[in-house]
Amino acid sequence: DAGVTQSPTHLIKTRGQQVTLRCSPKSGHDTVSWYQQALGQGPQFIFQYYEEEERQRGNFPDRFSGHQFPNYSSELNVNALLLGDSALYLCASSPVDRGLKHEQYFGPGTRLTVT
Amino acid sequence: QKEVEQNSGPLSVPEGAIASLNCTYSDRGSQSFFWYRQYSGKSPELIMSIYSNGDKEDGRFTAQLNKASQYVSLLIRDSQPSDSATYLCAVIRTSYDKVIFGPGTSLSVIP
Repeated sequence: DAGVTQSPTHLIKTRGQQVTLRCSPKSGHDTVSWYQQALGQGPQFIFQYYEEEERQRGNFPDRFSGHQFPNYSSELNVNALLLGDSALYLCASSPVDRGLKHEQYFGPGTRLTVT
Repeated sequence: QKEVEQNSGPLSVPEGAIASLNCTYSDRGSQSFFWYRQYSGKSPELIMSIYSNGDKEDGRFTAQLNKASQYVSLLIRDSQPSDSATYLCAVIRTSYDKVIFGPGTSLSVIP
């Protein structure tokens, strides 16, 4: 059973460009969350997708957008890249259980460098 | 006040000792609490989850939750050099809310 997968592993972009990151959730998981983790900090919540809709959003500008597909995979798009967008971008998926438990499992991440 | 706070460390303990990691949170409505381990350059790995007051043990790990004090901790018994990592505390109110992570505590286990 494959875990959460992300692509690409590493990416180098120039300021002002646009980037798309991809995530496939763990089998049986229907909810996908995206996080940005700067060096030395904890992950910061960007947004969460469930049933192809954005359900929750953190304090990130509209330059950050996403999408979830019918097969539960997801994309994170960032427009007009800034140097400060350089970070590790993490995707996490959660199982269908809608109870108290909300255990999230992370993919390996995409390291984005903006020059 | 930050939503989830942790001592940044680094916390250094000798091999075989007990490592104690602490976390406080501000939202009294929080219901689910998690500890993640993150090795340098890797993604977070879920190691413990706890939902009710008291202790929960899993192998060498024990999570402790005190909702009245808004405090959750992680004890690592018989610490090993392979336990050297950053430990992230995460909190959520309900499954429909965002997970809030603390800044992490860096643990170093000295052989």
